[in-house]
Amino acid sequence: AQTVTQSQPEMSVQEAETVTLSCTYDTSENNYYLFWYKQPPSRQMILVIRQEAYKQQNATENRFSVNFQKAAKSFSLKISDSQLGDTAMYFCAFMKHMDSSYKLIFGSGTRLLVRP
Amino acid sequence: DSGVTQTPKHLITATGQRVTLRCSPRSGDLSVYWYQQSLDQGLQFLIQYYNGEERAKGNILERFSAQQFPDLHSELNLSSLELGDSALYFCASSGRGGAGGADTQYFGPGTRLTVL
Repeated sequence: AQTVTQSQPEMSVQEAETVTLSCTYDTSENNYYLFWYKQPPSRQMILVIRQEAYKQQNATENRFSVNFQKAAKSFSLKISDSQLGDTAMYFCAFMKHMDSSYKLIFGSGTRLLVRP
Repeated sequence: DSGVTQTPKHLITATGQRVTLRCSPRSGDLSVYWYQQSLDQGLQFLIQYYNGEERAKGNILERFSAQQFPDLHSELNLSSLELGDSALYFCASSGRGGAGGADTQYFGPGTRLTVL
């Protein structure tokens, strides 16, 4: 079974600093997709970034980038120049094809606090 | 704004009752997914519909059911409610839903259900 592990329940960072959130996953598949979603206090689930396992290049979206290590099954999220609005719960998610569908499996989340 | 809408935003009801949650996907999306998020936990996949037909099932209780209508909106029906059913219920939508590829899922704002 696929599992997603986020080993850091809580983290904090000073505004304008850089922080890295960890995520590991377990799979025997070769083709899959990885995501980071952000859930601010409003509870809305917001897509941060997506990575295809077949791509060697790490995905980047503005201040958000990932370090995808396929052999190590690691998918960390780096937030540069942290802003107060980055305060949120961050969920790592793994997607693979199962049966006739693509299913998302979420980790338990990391709560990030950006301090002014 | 993801383009996915959910109503109602909040719902308070009593044990044993039945409620219906509604979701409208992004324009053009054929797939709708339902997730449950209990307090400060990750999201659990419940069920997926693609173009009106059930495509995949997750950890959905027998007391819960869903359907997708010809206009592609979806409803999640929860019956014989128990205290433990109190949670955030999210709907997500994607384009092809597994028929063509691993499309990113975009989430609605959620419905907060409180069972007293």
